[in-house]
Amino acid sequence: GDQVEQSPSALSLHEGTGSALRCNFTTTMRAVQWFRKNSRGSLINLFYLASGTKENGRLKSAFDSKERYSTLHIRDAQLEDSGTYFCAAEASMGYKLTFGTGTSLLVDP
Amino acid sequence: EAAVTQSPRNKVAVTGGKVTLSCNQTNNHNNMYWYRQDTGHGLRLIHYSYGAGSTEKGDIPDGYKASRPSQENFSLILELATPSQTSVYFCASGDPGQGAEVFFGKGTRLTVV
Repeated sequence: GDQVEQSPSALSLHEGTGSALRCNFTTTMRAVQWFRKNSRGSLINLFYLASGTKENGRLKSAFDSKERYSTLHIRDAQLEDSGTYFCAAEASMGYKLTFGTGTSLLVDP
Repeated sequence: EAAVTQSPRNKVAVTGGKVTLSCNQTNNHNNMYWYRQDTGHGLRLIHYSYGAGSTEKGDIPDGYKASRPSQENFSLILELATPSQTSVYFCASGDPGQGAEVFFGKGTRLTVV
């Protein structure tokens, strides 16, 4: 079946620094969505992309359907960015979202 | 603002008991989903629905049933709960493929003892 490989599984950043999360797809996906699970356990929508890039504050995401990957860049990380980040890919056929296994991000002072 | 409401938010059940998790959406989305989230597995799809009256098996349907009596409501039913079903369950609604995001509820933490 469709597979989504998310990396890294865990990431530690100092405040003010940045990094990137990546999801690779084993098949062509129609769109990708990124979420953050916050400390209260809620899933927060970050981005939905069918192509190209989107930016929102200190977050930027890119999706390349042909090359089968998506990235989420975090810059100037803040303590409140800590949490688990998930990508979810939308299959080209049907209505299924396939999730990555998540990246646990810890931002420390 | 899209809204997906799950109830209960927390539940402790006994092994062999029946558990019903409820989900309500006010987005008028056709598609609704039930996922469980476990460390190391991401979110895994249990059941989903294309609209009122329909239910479809996801990737891990064994031990679960679903019911979609209306556009707004989608329930997940554990007829005989087992400790392996201890998890956090998320309901979602959305219309993927229509250029639309999927929206999630806040989750239900289920513990089966």
